[in-house]
Amino acid sequence: SQTIHQWPATLVQPVGSPLSLECTVEGTSNPNLYWYRQAAGRGLQLLFYSIGIGQISSEVPQNLSASRPQDRQFILSSKKLLLSDSGFYLCAWSRTGITEAFFGQGTRLTVV
Amino acid sequence: AQSVTQLDSQVPVFEEAPVELRCNYSSSVSVYLFWYVQYPNQGLQLLLKYLSGSTLVKSINGFEAEFNKSQTSFHLRKPSVHISDTAEYFCAVSVPSGYSTLTFGKGTMLLVSP
Repeated sequence: SQTIHQWPATLVQPVGSPLSLECTVEGTSNPNLYWYRQAAGRGLQLLFYSIGIGQISSEVPQNLSASRPQDRQFILSSKKLLLSDSGFYLCAWSRTGITEAFFGQGTRLTVV
Repeated sequence: AQSVTQLDSQVPVFEEAPVELRCNYSSSVSVYLFWYVQYPNQGLQLLLKYLSGSTLVKSINGFEAEFNKSQTSFHLRKPSVHISDTAEYFCAVSVPSGYSTLTFGKGTMLLVSP
């Protein structure tokens, strides 16, 4: 069966510090990968998605970037965090041609 | 582009009462529709989905949703809720393609009290 791992579960970072959140998928190959951000009362916002290694599409211009160094690894990064980057970050995957996405447990990021 | 509207941010209900969580969508093309559930500090779990065929879809834990194309709605219902159903529910839409970039509503918090 397929599983998705996302870490860390919680993170408190000072303004201006770098960020690296990691997500890996097991049990499948060539998954589509996604990063979403959830802010209170605002639903989920798609940040990035990737259909293959090194292929990243950005949905919203912002202080964040994403990379896919390996087939089943997706990384969310920032060089300098802003207070507005606080939120709940969710990684997800889907099979090519299949519609539903499967989510990780999320990372609660607090920028102080 | 697609959009999803969940009209109620919070729905309080007593245990064993029926509930309906409303979802309306907007799209110029055919869509797939989903309901996800999120328990506190956890990721989202797929509850049910409509892709094609029968407009009434059901989950294993008693929820059902009906796709209504004329009203562009996909309301979620359960005839009798349990305390354990307390969670946030998200309606989402995607368009047929090779990857599922979901557009989510803002969510409805279902609060079930004894």
